[in-house]
Amino acid sequence: GAVVSQHPSRVICKSGTSVKIECRSLDFQATTMFWYRQFPKQSLMLMATSNEGSKATYEQGVEKDKFLINHASLTLSTLTVTSAHPEDSSFYICSARPQGQGAGYGYTFGSGTRLTVV
Amino acid sequence: DQQVKQNSPSLSVQEGRISILNCDYTNSMFDYFLWYKKYPAEGPTFLISISSIKDKNEDGRFTVFLNKSAKHLSLHIVPSQPGDSAVYFCAAKPQAGTALIFGKGTTLSVSS
Repeated sequence: GAVVSQHPSRVICKSGTSVKIECRSLDFQATTMFWYRQFPKQSLMLMATSNEGSKATYEQGVEKDKFLINHASLTLSTLTVTSAHPEDSSFYICSARPQGQGAGYGYTFGSGTRLTVV
Repeated sequence: DQQVKQNSPSLSVQEGRISILNCDYTNSMFDYFLWYKKYPAEGPTFLISISSIKDKNEDGRFTVFLNKSAKHLSLHIVPSQPGDSAVYFCAAKPQAGTALIFGKGTTLSVSS
């Protein structure tokens, strides 16, 4: 089945530094990938839709200059949290759906990245 | 305002019995509904989906029912097993979009 690899699984960084999270589709191509954020006991909130070869589409309230998304190939999307602050600490998850596969077959999620900013 | 709602934060069921997880939505323009299972510190795992033109879909122990007039869907797990203990998320895909919209999740605990 479709596999999405997300790295790193856990990262601790100092306030003011930047952190890059990678999301790779291992056995399929994805023109579109999705980035979510989950707070404790909360829903997965869509942050942005990453589009291969073009700019990402950000949801309302998500700072595009803070959460930089790059989708340079059909198998890789990256999320960079710039100038991280403690309030950015959260669980970040990426998702993708194989090209040509209908929504009914589900979207595949990465294993998530626990970001802690100290 | 939340478009996908899971009003029960938790559910406890005995092993072998039926688990019923509920989900309500407010937007009639969803074309697919999906259920995901999630363990702590892991990404969600796809369980089952249903098209908005159907009212039932079954896959092994999992059955999803869709009541469009009530804007309500439910996931039935029969028989429930301790390994089913996890957080279950209801998600919906808008007709005009590609990203999924999630509910807040329901924590299912199955005791042996």
